[in-house]
Amino acid sequence: AQTVTQSQPEMSVQEAETVTLSCTYDTSESNYYLFWYKQPPSRQMILVIRQEAYKQQNATENRFSVNFQKAAKSFSLKISDSQLGDTAMYFCAFMKLYNDMRFGAGTRLTVKP
Amino acid sequence: DADVTQTPRNRITKTGKRIMLECSQTKGHDRMYWYRQDPGLGLRLIYYSFDVKDINKGEISDGYSVSRQAQAKFSLSLESAIPNQTALYFCATGRDTQYFGPGTRLTVL
Repeated sequence: AQTVTQSQPEMSVQEAETVTLSCTYDTSESNYYLFWYKQPPSRQMILVIRQEAYKQQNATENRFSVNFQKAAKSFSLKISDSQLGDTAMYFCAFMKLYNDMRFGAGTRLTVKP
Repeated sequence: DADVTQTPRNRITKTGKRIMLECSQTKGHDRMYWYRQDPGLGLRLIYYSFDVKDINKGEISDGYSVSRQAQAKFSLSLESAIPNQTALYFCATGRDTQYFGPGTRLTVL
């Protein structure tokens, strides 16, 4: 079974600085997807970024980027120029092709002014 | 309008009551999912459906049942609610990416 581990329950960062959230996963699959979701206090699950395992290039969405290390089964999220609105729970998730998702326990990120 | 809607958004009920949570999506996806979120545990899969005639149990299906009334509608039922089913429930839809509804906060007293 696939498992997803987020080893940082809580993190904080000063506004405008950069922070990296860690995620590791365990799978025997070769093709899969990885995701980062953001959950603000409104509790909505918002897709931040998506990575396809067969693509070596790291995904980027504006201030958000990932460091995908397939051999190490590592998928970290870097947030640049942190903003107060980035304060939220962040969940790493793994999905086999066209299947259900497995989530990590989450990292609570606080951006301080 | 939101692509994935859930009703109700909040519900308080008593032990032993039957509860139905409803989900509708306008994204045209064939696949729909129900997840439960508990503090410190992330989201866990309850049931999923790959089309109207295909229903599958997830990681934590005991105490729950589902109905896929149409491609766009997927309902979750708690036949006899118990306090440890107090949680945040999410519906999701999608094939290679999952899009989530706003969630239903359920409290069982």
